[in-house]
Amino acid sequence: QSVLTQPPSASGTPGQRVTISCSGSSSNIGRDTVNWYQLLPGTAPKLLIYSNNQRPSGVPDRFSGSKSGTSASLAISGLQSEDEAHYYCAAWDGSLNGWVFGGGTKLTVL
Amino acid sequence: QVQLQQSGPGLVKPSQTLSLTCAISGDSVSSNSAAWNWIRQSPSRGLEWLGRTYYRSKWYNDYAVSVKSRITINPDTSKNQFSLQLNSVTLDDTAVYYCARGPSYFRYWGQGTLVTVSS
Repeated sequence: QSVLTQPPSASGTPGQRVTISCSGSSSNIGRDTVNWYQLLPGTAPKLLIYSNNQRPSGVPDRFSGSKSGTSASLAISGLQSEDEAHYYCAAWDGSLNGWVFGGGTKLTVL
Repeated sequence: QVQLQQSGPGLVKPSQTLSLTCAISGDSVSSNSAAWNWIRQSPSRGLEWLGRTYYRSKWYNDYAVSVKSRITINPDTSKNQFSLQLNSVTLDDTAVYYCARGPSYFRYWGQGTLVTVSS
């Protein structure tokens, strides 16, 4: 059972917009920023969004993040086949004094 | 550009100690603005943060509650690297282990090491 809650799966067709939610509590998302990571098979996780809504250089602007209260979301617009991957949210938890991740969402491009 | 290069065995027997090293280039393990983390990934658990070491005038460590009794993360300033030791491993510790640079997000990652716990 992960501290942050994500839907296990999401799907969309090419060109569509999909969103992935991440729910936490006052000890993590409610008090600190959220980061998002993309996992492709056989590769190290890639930082997609940091500080709730910031994109590292090289990440397409099709990816965006937002946060409200104790929840956050990742939006992917103009869905492409290469976006098929697992996505994880993460935040620092002040009560646990450590990083916590969501359980991950498998995105399927139909 | 920060680069992290992991090394260590890919097979560990149950009850023994898992040991991995992460060599840093392009940064310093003693940096006052970085934190050096170990994270693992498995199909059953997803991503799991294990712990970190960092230097802020002295050395600090933070460990995940789930492994706190079994884990040690140490910096090695002479080799600019840091290490992970996880004691008394079980089959449940089988995972891909990553080192990563913090502190506020993980932009740079090691290449990952698949560690299988098996007799």
